[in-house]
Amino acid sequence: GQQVMQIPQYQHVQEGEDFTTYCNSSTTLSNIQWYKQRPGGHPVFLIQLVKSGEVKKQKRLTFQFGEAKKNSSLHITATQTTDVGTYFCAGRKMNRDDKIIFGKGTRLHILP
Amino acid sequence: DVKVTQSSRYLVKRTGEKVFLECVQDMDHENMFWYRQDPGLGLRLIYFSYDVKMKEKGDIPEGYSVSREKKERFSLILESASTNQTSMYLCASSDGQVIYGYTFGSGTRLTVV
Repeated sequence: GQQVMQIPQYQHVQEGEDFTTYCNSSTTLSNIQWYKQRPGGHPVFLIQLVKSGEVKKQKRLTFQFGEAKKNSSLHITATQTTDVGTYFCAGRKMNRDDKIIFGKGTRLHILP
Repeated sequence: DVKVTQSSRYLVKRTGEKVFLECVQDMDHENMFWYRQDPGLGLRLIYFSYDVKMKEKGDIPEGYSVSREKKERFSLILESASTNQTSMYLCASSDGQVIYGYTFGSGTRLTVV
């Protein structure tokens, strides 16, 4: 079946360093979403990318959707302790039903 | 503020018990979903529903059933709880417009002893 692979599984960075997580799909996606889950919390929707090659920014977060619509990345510049959590990508299939497939997430840990 | 409310934050049940997990959303969303989340396995879809009285199996439906009698309420049922169903259960809803993301509830941490 269709899979969405996300790497790395864990990432430790010093506060102030940059962080990137990558998401790859085995098939072309209609769109991709990103979620953040704080420790002890639930996933919270961050953003959706729809167009091939799309780049969106939210303050220190930059989201990219690949030209082939099979991969995506989330880059955080100058991490802060508030960035701690698990970041999930989730891809929606091309048939546009509402079901999305989640990656297993990247857990970000910030070292002070 | 939109909300998805799950009835219990923590639940402890005995093996063999029938367990009901309730989820209510106040956003008039058509689509509702049940996931379980386990360390290292991410979010796995159990069941989902696109309309009242409609349900579809997700990736791991075995041992579970669902009920959607009203648009705002989606219940997950563990027919006979087993220890391997100990997990965090997350309910989500969406408006199905392929524009917005899912809104998740706070989750129910179920322990089966």
